[in-house]
Amino acid sequence: RKEVEQDPGPFNVPEGATVAFNCTYSNSASQSFFWYRQDCRKEPKLLMSVYSSGNEDGRFTAQLNRASQYISLLIRDSKLSDSATYLCVVKRFQKLVFGTGTRLLVSP
Amino acid sequence: DVKVTQSSRYLVKRTGEKVFLECVQDMDHENMFWYRQDPGLGLRLIYFSYDVKMKEKGDIPEGYSVSREKKERFSLILESASTNQTSMYLCASSPGTGVEAFFGQGTRLTVV
Repeated sequence: RKEVEQDPGPFNVPEGATVAFNCTYSNSASQSFFWYRQDCRKEPKLLMSVYSSGNEDGRFTAQLNRASQYISLLIRDSKLSDSATYLCVVKRFQKLVFGTGTRLLVSP
Repeated sequence: DVKVTQSSRYLVKRTGEKVFLECVQDMDHENMFWYRQDPGLGLRLIYFSYDVKMKEKGDIPEGYSVSREKKERFSLILESASTNQTSMYLCASSPGTGVEAFFGQGTRLTVV
């Protein structure tokens, strides 16, 4: 079993839709949690950190449930420019572990 | 802005060659990482380093070694390149626990 699991998708949604991605992690010693975004043929870049209290950045909301070892990302009012792969990442001490990513395609 | 620079964007090497991939960061970060990314497998950690001359194996260290003689530079070495090491290699750095990592632009290595 992978340490960080994500549905690979792709999720095909129309512009303006709300879409949610989920991620589970298996190691309860994980300390920090992130969502990264990766565009085609580019390097991953931080989208947002994820906190137990939940956090929001514009159209993006991230949530962490430590008891269930589950992380989510909600995107509201999807834009064409949101099309990318979204990577769930957990950090345990200095080690960063990535999920395989969920691909999102937003169409006009 | 944090900058992580990898020495090459594209590299073609022959089977059996010794290959050096270089990564330099300019923000005095303690931690540096080497990943490879393959379709369907995501990013897999090869090695990481949390200080000069310190290194830790990641999930797939076989066939690779690393060197960190200076804080800003982390090198990945393929001792004898094989075709199954054809991949995208990504270097990253981070300042410490609980904070984000910054990636280089990646090196697409093809071993023929």
